[in-house]
Amino acid sequence: DADVTQTPRNRITKTGKRIMLECSQTKGHDRMYWYRQDPGLGLRLIYYSFDVKDINKGEISDGYSVSRQAQAKFSLSLESAIPNQTALYFCATSVPGHTDTQYFGPGTRLTVL
Amino acid sequence: QKEVEQDPGPLSVPEGAIVSLNCTYSNSAFQYFMWYRQYSRKGPELLMYTYSSGNKEDGRFTAQVDKSSKYISLFIRDSQPSDSATYLCAMGGVTGGGNKLTFGTGTQLKVEL
Repeated sequence: DADVTQTPRNRITKTGKRIMLECSQTKGHDRMYWYRQDPGLGLRLIYYSFDVKDINKGEISDGYSVSRQAQAKFSLSLESAIPNQTALYFCATSVPGHTDTQYFGPGTRLTVL
Repeated sequence: QKEVEQDPGPLSVPEGAIVSLNCTYSNSAFQYFMWYRQYSRKGPELLMYTYSSGNKEDGRFTAQVDKSSKYISLFIRDSQPSDSATYLCAMGGVTGGGNKLTFGTGTQLKVEL
C-alpha cells in the first residue's frame, strides 16, 4: 500500500461548489503539506501543518482552507470552487529536521467548469 | 524574479546520451538542494539531495552544486527511455523556514530509442 494516499484521484465539479480533497499517510510523519501544480508555474505551497494544532498558510492560500483531523489526515477544501483552481493537487509529508525531504502522494486532478 | 529558475525544456535526447538539467537560485540562505523526478500522472519522488557545494554521485546520476554561483545541476549518464519524466529542482533549509521547499518549474525530459 502507498504511504501517502489522496482521494479522489480525479474530480470534475462546477463553479461555486464546495470540494474537499483528502490526504492520509501511514509514514508517521508530523508534517504535512498541500501543493498545487500548474503548467509553467511548478509546485506552489497552499497550506502546511507541522502538527495537529499547527496550521500555516503557504504562498497561495486564498480560496482554500484546511483541516488536520489527526496526525495521519490532512484535508484541503475549496469553499466555492472557481475555474482558475483547476490544477493538479499534491499532498506531501516530511520528518522534522530531516533534510527537508518530502514524500508526495499520487495527486488529485481537479477540474472546475 | 523567481527564487528558483529552471530551464523549462522540453528536452529530447537519444538513448545513451548524457543529459544536463540545471537550476539557478537567488536566495543565498538555501542550505539543501534536491532533485525530484515526476513521471506522468504521478507525484514527485526524491531522486537526489545534497547540502554542500561539489558533486554527489548515485549510479548514473550526479548532482552538482555551486553555491558561489547559485547554480545546481543534475547529470544523467547513459540515459534510458525509463528516465523520461519531468525533473524538478527543489531547495530548502532556510533558517526558521521549517521544512518548506521552493521548487523549480520542472524540465520535461524525453529519452528516445
